[in-house]
Amino acid sequence: IAGITQAPTSQILAAGRRMTLRCTQDMRHNAMYWYRQDLGLGLRLIHYSNTAGTTGKGEVPDGYSVSRANTDDFPLTLASAVPSQTSVYFCASSDREANEQFFGPGTRLTVL
Amino acid sequence: GQNIDQPTEMTATEGAIVQINCTYQTSGFNGLFWYQQHAGEAPTFLSYNVLDGLEEKGRFSSFLSRSKGYSYLLLKELQMKDSASYLCAVRDSNYQLIWGAGTKLIIKP
Repeated sequence: IAGITQAPTSQILAAGRRMTLRCTQDMRHNAMYWYRQDLGLGLRLIHYSNTAGTTGKGEVPDGYSVSRANTDDFPLTLASAVPSQTSVYFCASSDREANEQFFGPGTRLTVL
Repeated sequence: GQNIDQPTEMTATEGAIVQINCTYQTSGFNGLFWYQQHAGEAPTFLSYNVLDGLEEKGRFSSFLSRSKGYSYLLLKELQMKDSASYLCAVRDSNYQLIWGAGTKLIIKP
């Protein structure tokens, strides 16, 4: 693989179900991010990780959790999905906190 | 609060020049980014400004005025493939990116 991969590409989920979105990068970047993108709104940061073993909350963290067990993987979990979590989710990474971010292809999630 | 403003949509003609403006109010400033996003795809990096002035990269240029909280992206010799959304983002005092909603650019032949 090259760059950032996300899985699944799209998913339809019943409200109340648990769901994990996967993100893997092979660029050995220290920092990773999860965003959601909704029509008419800018990208909004959900959670981030500046380095393996650490995570932080972004602008819209409620209802989501993350872990960063190693450099490459940064899964996002919805513990109990709600319709307002219907969105396109992008994972991104950068080699330092301060540099440009590289984005994965996104996961389109629909919660019914 | 933090705010990034961009026009929602712009239309331009193939071969012409277009300027997309971005104004910002953020808690601190540690650089401004422009990204391009084609429909259904991920954003891709275009430019980065941290000092005042113009940064040129081929057909694309980006300008920054920190005192005015203002930036623009200039696209020259427009091509049909430039039809996309252009996202302005400012890195704040916590080194987090604050994103504008994006400007959808429509190129007409």
